[in-house]
Amino acid sequence: DADVTQTPRNRITKTGKRIMLECSQTKGHDRMYWYRQDPGLGLRLIYYSFDVKDINKGEISDGYSVSRQAQAKFSLSLESAIPNQTALYFCATSDVTDTQYFGPGTRLTVL
Amino acid sequence: RKEVEQDPGPFNVPEGATVAFNCTYSNSASQSFFWYRQDCRKEPKLLMSVYSSGNEDGRFTAQLNRASQYISLLIRDSKLSDSATYLCVVTDPSNTGKLIFGQGTTLQVKP
Repeated sequence: DADVTQTPRNRITKTGKRIMLECSQTKGHDRMYWYRQDPGLGLRLIYYSFDVKDINKGEISDGYSVSRQAQAKFSLSLESAIPNQTALYFCATSDVTDTQYFGPGTRLTVL
Repeated sequence: RKEVEQDPGPFNVPEGATVAFNCTYSNSASQSFFWYRQDCRKEPKLLMSVYSSGNEDGRFTAQLNRASQYISLLIRDSKLSDSATYLCVVTDPSNTGKLIFGQGTTLQVKP
């Protein structure tokens, strides 16, 4: 079984809809991250959490929110999706060595 | 100036070739350095960490030059399976646990 899982793997939604992307990990790591990846722009950090009570904004947090329900779960919400949020979204976890382990990604399309 | 810069390529090489990728980073205070590999539409995976003394893992050699803020990855005897995008990654010196990703360099190994 994969150590970091993401659901859904693909999602098509309409402008204005609320959508939640979920991430679960079995690695026992405290640190979790959400990134988006766009062609030509690389990976950009949306939010990160170093433990259950710690939530921090990344470089592109506008339009997104997160919830750290447990050490193993970190969800990303788009309150009102817009077309420029169409992207590939990755969840990641890390330990104190800074090595990050990524989930398989969620491909989101906002029409 | 981007914090981590890479030549996006693509690099098209024949099987068996030696290919080198370069990367520069802007903040001299960055402490840890990595190369990640990302296959098309898949998640990034750690290829290797990069140490000041240089390090080798089979056909892959990574070098770090702190004075020039320059990181390299050398792949010898290229295989078809090496075709992927290679991401240069450094730690954010202002926040332990955060990584800064380059855009990636695409390698295509041809038969």
